[in-house]
Amino acid sequence: GQQLNQSPQSMFIQEGEDVSMNCTSSSIFNTWLWYKQEPGEGPVLLIALYKAGELTSNGRLTAQFGITRKDSFLNISASIPSDVGIYFCAGAIQGAQKLVFGQGTRLTINP
Amino acid sequence: NAGVTQTPKFQVLKTGQSMTLQCAQDMNHNSMYWYRQDPGMGLRLIYYSASEGTTDKGEVPNGYNVSRLNKREFSLRLESAAPSQTSVYFCASSGETGKYYSNQPQHFGDGTRLSIL
Repeated sequence: GQQLNQSPQSMFIQEGEDVSMNCTSSSIFNTWLWYKQEPGEGPVLLIALYKAGELTSNGRLTAQFGITRKDSFLNISASIPSDVGIYFCAGAIQGAQKLVFGQGTRLTINP
Repeated sequence: NAGVTQTPKFQVLKTGQSMTLQCAQDMNHNSMYWYRQDPGMGLRLIYYSASEGTTDKGEVPNGYNVSRLNKREFSLRLESAAPSQTSVYFCASSGETGKYYSNQPQHFGDGTRLSIL
């Protein structure tokens, strides 16, 4: 089945640093989604990407849909303590009813 | 402004017991989904319902059954719980009429934490 490889699995950074994480697949996707999950809560959608090459921002977050359609990237600029959580990528094929999720990147920030 | 509501939030079962997890959404979404989340495994799809009256298996359906009771409600049943089903279960919904690429899960509940002894 389809699989997504998300890296890194965890990150420990200082407040104010920029963060980069990515997701790669052996399959081509038509949609990439990035979610954030905080302890005790469900994932919350951050950014949705629908076109190869698309670059979309949401505040300090920027995500890109890779040209090959097999990868996506998420960047967080000037991290703050509330950015702590687990970030998941998810991909879907056009018309497919199902999403495939990455394993998540756990972000920890030292103040 | 509830979105997706899951009940219960926590549950402990003994092996062999049965249990139904409830999910309801108030966003008039067409599609609903059940996932399980295990450490290091991300989210794995158990079952989904593309629309009222239909259900389909996901990646890990064994040991589970579902019912799409109406457009709002989608329940997940464990007939004979096993320790391997200890997990956090999430319900999600999507499919706002008229939106492009509307069928990707975008709204999750806060989960049901299930432990099976």
